[in-house]
Amino acid sequence: QSALTQPASVSGSPGQSITISCTGTSSDIGGYNYVSWYQQYPGKAPKLMIYEVSKRPSGVPDRFSGSKSGNTASLTISGLQAEDEGEYFCSSFTTTSTVVFGGGTKLTVL
Amino acid sequence: EVQLVESGGGLVQPGGSLRLSCEASGFTFSSYFIHWVRQAPGKGLVWVSRINSDGSSTRYADSVKGRFTMSRDNAKNTLYLQMNSLRAEDTAVYYCARDPRSGTYSVAMDVWGQGTTVTVSS
Repeated sequence: QSALTQPASVSGSPGQSITISCTGTSSDIGGYNYVSWYQQYPGKAPKLMIYEVSKRPSGVPDRFSGSKSGNTASLTISGLQAEDEGEYFCSSFTTTSTVVFGGGTKLTVL
Repeated sequence: EVQLVESGGGLVQPGGSLRLSCEASGFTFSSYFIHWVRQAPGKGLVWVSRINSDGSSTRYADSVKGRFTMSRDNAKNTLYLQMNSLRAEDTAVYYCARDPRSGTYSVAMDVWGQGTTVTVSS
């Protein structure tokens, strides 16, 4: 199972909105509504930000939103804040009942 | 406090074995699917395996299938990952992580341990 494709890096200024894409195939993202997004700071465990494409766990700000179209999922962060800087990973369920992650996207808040 | 704590990592020679443990507290462990995820130094997250709530079903990434075995003891609130025939490419921080939905599966990970480091080297 190949990793999902994410841009290596994105950046934005405080207050702006950014979108991180995550592209897979019909065997993963396109076939199921089980896409998740994680935020990770260096040296720390990941934190769940979005699950089942667009659901937010309690405690995650509503500035974070998720969506999916075809084989591509997206994470949008609106009203960018300095604390949003970190690395973001997407994941998806697959037809072989396994889970595949994206390669990660480093978000820089300018 | 809902918590997962991994242990058992260390330095092992290629071809060797290691057993990781993950102890849960603060929630009804027996109701949740649990995953193992690893991260090599400076690299991204890689899913390793998952087990269902009663331990009757497991799934593995192709890279570890036949070498790693995931199990759980719900009476002890503990999860295990038996790793055999270890290779240099298995070197990583290993995290256990809980699936968010009690009683079912949402293929996500909402509670993570702090990770335990496995180094495979001669």
